[in-house]
Amino acid sequence: EAGVTQFPSHSVIEKGQTVTLRCDPISGHDNLYWYRRVMGKEIKFLLHFVKESKQDESGMPNNRFLAERTGGTYSTLKVQPAELEDSGVYFCASSAQTGALQYFGAGTRLSVL
Amino acid sequence: QKEVEQDPGPLSVPEGAIVSLNCTYSNSAFQYFMWYRQYSRKGPELLMYTYSSGNKEDGRFTAQVDKSSKYISLFIRDSQPSDSATYLCAMSLALQGGSEKLVFGKGTKLTVNP
Repeated sequence: EAGVTQFPSHSVIEKGQTVTLRCDPISGHDNLYWYRRVMGKEIKFLLHFVKESKQDESGMPNNRFLAERTGGTYSTLKVQPAELEDSGVYFCASSAQTGALQYFGAGTRLSVL
Repeated sequence: QKEVEQDPGPLSVPEGAIVSLNCTYSNSAFQYFMWYRQYSRKGPELLMYTYSSGNKEDGRFTAQVDKSSKYISLFIRDSQPSDSATYLCAMSLALQGGSEKLVFGKGTKLTVNP
């Protein structure tokens, strides 16, 4: 069974550009989470989907970040326009149900120059 | 005060040593406690999890939780070079509306030398 997969593994963009990150959860997992780790800091929660609905987006840093999960399968996280402080590793995780164990993807390393 | 404190290390030990990794936390609302292992350029891999105070053993790994002291530990016996990784403690927190999130420590980088 495939785990959580994320694309791309690394993205380098210039300040002001747009980047879209994709996450494919484990098949059958209704819950999908986005987290982020910026340099020197701990991994921090961004938001939580149950199927296609946003359950909580309290960790989203600002309105330059937009997450979607149309159809309740894969999710995208768009950053527009990107700023230098958005650099970091973006992780996606999925779980079978809320309160169940979360399994992480390998992450997308975003570098904003 | 951070919700979860973890000594980032680095920690270097010889092969065969017993390793002790620790986290403290301040939020009594945390529900369950996990240890993730992360190899370089990979995602966090779930290693151990527990819901209650006490010990849980899995092979060479033992997870310990002391809710009264708000302290969790991971012990690795007979450490191997393949155990070299960053170890992250994480705790689950229920959010409003039925959601939840994980709150992580910064991670401790462990190197086991052959």
